[in-house]
Amino acid sequence: KQEVTQIPAALSVPEGENLVLNCSFTDSAIYNLQWFRQDPGKGLTSLLLIQSSQREQTSGRLNASLDKSSGRSTLYIAASQPGDSATYLCAVSSNTGKLIFGQGTTLQVKP
Amino acid sequence: EAQVTQNPRYLITVTGKKLTVTCSQNMNHEYMSWYRQDPGLGLRQIYYSMNVEVTDKGDVPEGYKVSRKEKRNFPLILESPSPNQTSLYFCAAYTGAEAFFGQGTRLTVV
Repeated sequence: KQEVTQIPAALSVPEGENLVLNCSFTDSAIYNLQWFRQDPGKGLTSLLLIQSSQREQTSGRLNASLDKSSGRSTLYIAASQPGDSATYLCAVSSNTGKLIFGQGTTLQVKP
Repeated sequence: EAQVTQNPRYLITVTGKKLTVTCSQNMNHEYMSWYRQDPGLGLRQIYYSMNVEVTDKGDVPEGYKVSRKEKRNFPLILESPSPNQTSLYFCAAYTGAEAFFGQGTRLTVV
């Protein structure tokens, strides 16, 4: 059974720092991996999608990598800003479309 | 603009009173799914659908029903809600690639 783990569960950094969020999964037979952002009490916003054949994706200050063989993905946030404060979730999908989520990393960026 | 719309956004109801949460997508995606999100438990899949008239149980289906009579709609039905179904519910639509989520329905069962 696929399990997704995110470390750390919470992170607090000063503004301007570069940071890395980690996601690991137990079954490497994934269809894709997606990173989401969730603000308190709100819905999920898709940040980056990495297909299983890809190794990384970039969008602005965000870069996500995928290493299927080791069952790991990282989300790199450059030059963090207070507006980046949110919970970040990773999810892996199988070819049946089922999405399995990690518990999330709650990020606080202090001004 | 790709959109998944859930209604209502907030709902307080009493134990045993049947309710339906609607979900509609404008992307013609085949896959749709319902999740609930609880503190400390994360997002858990309730039911999913791979196409019209094709639905299957997720990880926590007890107490819920769904139907997929047309591609754009995937309602979640609670026949007899109980307090342990108090949660934040999300509907999602996806192609098998990027997933799009609704804004959520916060349900309280008293």
